[in-house]
Amino acid sequence: DTGVSQNPRHKITKRGQNVTFRCDPISEHNRLYWYRQTLGQGPEFLTYFQNEAQLEKSRLLSDRFSAERPKGSFSTLEIQRTEQGDSAMYLCASSLGGISSTDTQYFGPGTRLTVL
Amino acid sequence: GIQVEQSPPDLILQEGANSTLRCNFSDSVNNLQWFHQNPWGQLINLFYIPSGTKQNGRLSATTVATERYSLLYISSSQTTDSGVYFCAAGGGYQKVTFGTGTKLQVIP
Repeated sequence: DTGVSQNPRHKITKRGQNVTFRCDPISEHNRLYWYRQTLGQGPEFLTYFQNEAQLEKSRLLSDRFSAERPKGSFSTLEIQRTEQGDSAMYLCASSLGGISSTDTQYFGPGTRLTVL
Repeated sequence: GIQVEQSPPDLILQEGANSTLRCNFSDSVNNLQWFHQNPWGQLINLFYIPSGTKQNGRLSATTVATERYSLLYISSSQTTDSGVYFCAAGGGYQKVTFGTGTKLQVIP
């Protein structure tokens, strides 16, 4: 068990460019979550997957944002035409899921995005 | 959606002191978790506790679901306890809403 990993750890981009982040969950985990965290705030839910199905998306996730989880393994989060307001820490978490009601979320180290 | 409020927002403790952090939530929950975010930004899950009481070393947590609050107790605090403590709650088992956190500083 190597934990949740995210790449890259840091990304600096110019406004208007597209960026893509990757998350590798804990291997046996069925659920995968994306959050965004800005300075001084708690993480805000963006979307989550049960295996390869994207089951819920926040209203925060505008049409410039898209997330995928092909084959129910790793996930990618793409932001098109980045804006300065997109600057934040993007966090990924995974959980075991299934029929258990105890569904602890384990977080990755995050990807810090800076849009110039 | 569910609202989550945490208090106090900031807390400074002398090493060795005890503290209680509070989380109030606006609706019934099936999912309540406490996290610690260390100074490097890593979120670590402390407890999954939608009801009842759990203990893990110097930390313990109690959730009174009928009264819509949860408490996190830190005893004999250490400098490594510094960071931000978040409560996250949800009505379902998946999506959770985070509070704004309690920033704890433990001084030697």
